[in-house]
Amino acid sequence: DTAVSQTPKYLVTQMGNDKSIKCEQNLGHDTMYWYKQDSKKFLKIMFSYNNKELIINETVPNRFSPKSPDKAHLNLHINSLELGDSAVYFCASSRETGNYGYTFGSGTRLTVV
Amino acid sequence: QKEVEQNSGPLSVPEGAIASLNCTYSDRVSQSFFWYRQYSGKSPELIMSIYSNGDKEDGRFTAQLNKASQYVSLLIRDSQPSDSATYLCAVNPTGGFKTIFGAGTRLFVKA
Repeated sequence: DTAVSQTPKYLVTQMGNDKSIKCEQNLGHDTMYWYKQDSKKFLKIMFSYNNKELIINETVPNRFSPKSPDKAHLNLHINSLELGDSAVYFCASSRETGNYGYTFGSGTRLTVV
Repeated sequence: QKEVEQNSGPLSVPEGAIASLNCTYSDRVSQSFFWYRQYSGKSPELIMSIYSNGDKEDGRFTAQLNKASQYVSLLIRDSQPSDSATYLCAVNPTGGFKTIFGAGTRLFVKA
């Protein structure tokens, strides 16, 4: 199936831990994104990568570090997790720029306790 | 002022009625506009895109864009209970790598 796949779907962890979320797309898209959706359902961009190059870093704490080994993969590593990091993190991809709309992954619900 | 504004709702309509969802945006030069549907616990799904003034129809959905007034709307005709979801308006201001989302409008279609 052509899709954007994210793992894991759920992540429960303690404050101070380090965790990673992985994302892969097989749509042949050039651009991938990380968005954060908070408890009020507001989707906010964190990062965007075009052909493995970081294009947007939207004032995200340095504890968040994205990595794109190739244009089909975009991972997110989070250091020293805080309670406020609890949210749903969505990976997305698009053709070229975002001018054609996004395809979203299924999301990772991160709960920091 | 928020960049993309939507009424959070909930908007409740009876089955078979027309649901009208509205969105305003602040960047006058915005180029690309989208509507996404998000069911509870699921990811957003693109349902409409519109780039020029006027109406664009796709099945039961019609997107309307008025760049002079900086608003975009989504009409859902013959609303069904399965249309109950949160509808996210999104704007790509420059045609570049950043799309800005509104907070969404919750729609309930009563059977």
